[in-house]
Amino acid sequence: DAGVTQSPTHLIKTRGQQVTLRCSPKSGHDTVSWYQQALGQGPQFIFQYYEEEERQRGNFPDRFSGHQFPNYSSELNVNALLLGDSALYLCASSIKTGGGFSGYTFGSGTRLTVV
Amino acid sequence: SQQGEEDPQALSIQEGENATMNCSYKTSINNLQWYRQNSGRGLVHLILIRSNEREKHSGRLRVTLDTSKKSSSLLITASRAADTASYFCATSNTGNQFYFGTGTSLTVIP
Repeated sequence: DAGVTQSPTHLIKTRGQQVTLRCSPKSGHDTVSWYQQALGQGPQFIFQYYEEEERQRGNFPDRFSGHQFPNYSSELNVNALLLGDSALYLCASSIKTGGGFSGYTFGSGTRLTVV
Repeated sequence: SQQGEEDPQALSIQEGENATMNCSYKTSINNLQWYRQNSGRGLVHLILIRSNEREKHSGRLRVTLDTSKKSSSLLITASRAADTASYFCATSNTGNQFYFGTGTSLTVIP
């Protein structure tokens, strides 16, 4: 049973560029949430996708956008990259239908470095 | 801020000892979770405790929740070197957005 798969694992981008990160949720999960984790900090909620719609958004600017596909996979896009966007980006899947939330399954993350 | 805060920030113990870490939060919640993270990679879900529960066990882990004090504790009994990791609590009052603390870094010395 495959867990959450994220790609790429590492990425180096130049300030001002755009980046797309990808996530395939755990089999049977229908909800994808994205988190940003700066070095030495806890994960910060970016947004959550369910039924191909953004359901909730954290305190992140519009430069951060996302998408969920019919197969539940998701993308996170960041435009006009800033040095401060350097972080570990984590995808977490969960199941919303049925018996309620029982915890996230996290991917291993994408380490983004902006230079 | 709604995020939980773990205490202590760092903890170092000998293998076989028990480790206790605490989480405090500021707003009402519907559940609280504990996660483990090794070496800055993905987080692993340990336990979820709902607001109407007071204690849960999973193997060597025991979690308590005191909603009147807005606090939770995670106890790891008979610690092992493999338990060395960062531990985070995460709270939510909506079930959609979770707030993580800055974590407790646990080192278990063989």
